Amino acid sequence: GQQLNQSPQSMFIQEGEDVSMNCTSSSIFNTWLWYKQDPGEGPVLLIALYKAGELTSNGRLTAQFGITRKDSFLNISASIPSDVGIYFCAGHQGGSEKLVFGKGTKLTVNP
Amino acid sequence: DTAVSQTPKYLVTQMGNDKSIKCEQNLGHDTMYWYKQDSKKFLKIMFSYNNKELIINETVPNRFSPKSPDKAHLNLHINSLELGDSAVYFCASSYGQFSYGYTFGSGTRLTVV
Repeated sequence: GQQLNQSPQSMFIQEGEDVSMNCTSSSIFNTWLWYKQDPGEGPVLLIALYKAGELTSNGRLTAQFGITRKDSFLNISASIPSDVGIYFCAGHQGGSEKLVFGKGTKLTVNP
Repeated sequence: DTAVSQTPKYLVTQMGNDKSIKCEQNLGHDTMYWYKQDSKKFLKIMFSYNNKELIINETVPNRFSPKSPDKAHLNLHINSLELGDSAVYFCASSYGQFSYGYTFGSGTRLTVV
């Protein structure tokens, strides 16, 4: 099945630093989404993107739908300890009801 | 009020047993899903129901059987459990089958010994 390549796999940063992660695919996606999973919980939707080139913010989080429609980026500014968790990109292709998930980026923030 | 609730939270059982996981959503969504998250945290779709009708059935062993008595409930029954079935199973729901802002439950950690 279709796969999303998410990188980096893990990140260790200091509190206050900015973070960037991305997701790429060899195929075009119509929708990109970013989820965050806290330990022992299910993923929670952070940002949804529906148009190529779209740039959307949610507080300190900003995500972009790549122009080629084959990638998406998530940036977190001024990280804080509660940003710790696993961040997943997810995408949907036309002609399918399925949402495909990337393998996640595990973020650790040192106070 | 919990939007998507799964029970049980933890399930430890022996190989060969049959077990069920229940899921209920109070969001009024039409579509519900079961995902499996393996030890490497990879999330893979198993099944999806839209208003009680099966719309996604991935390559899952037929020991796994979903049941949706109404659009607010989607249960997962697993027969003859195997060691490889150990994982975290997530239920999720969305407004419709082409709506991708899923709301996930908190997961059921299944351990087969």
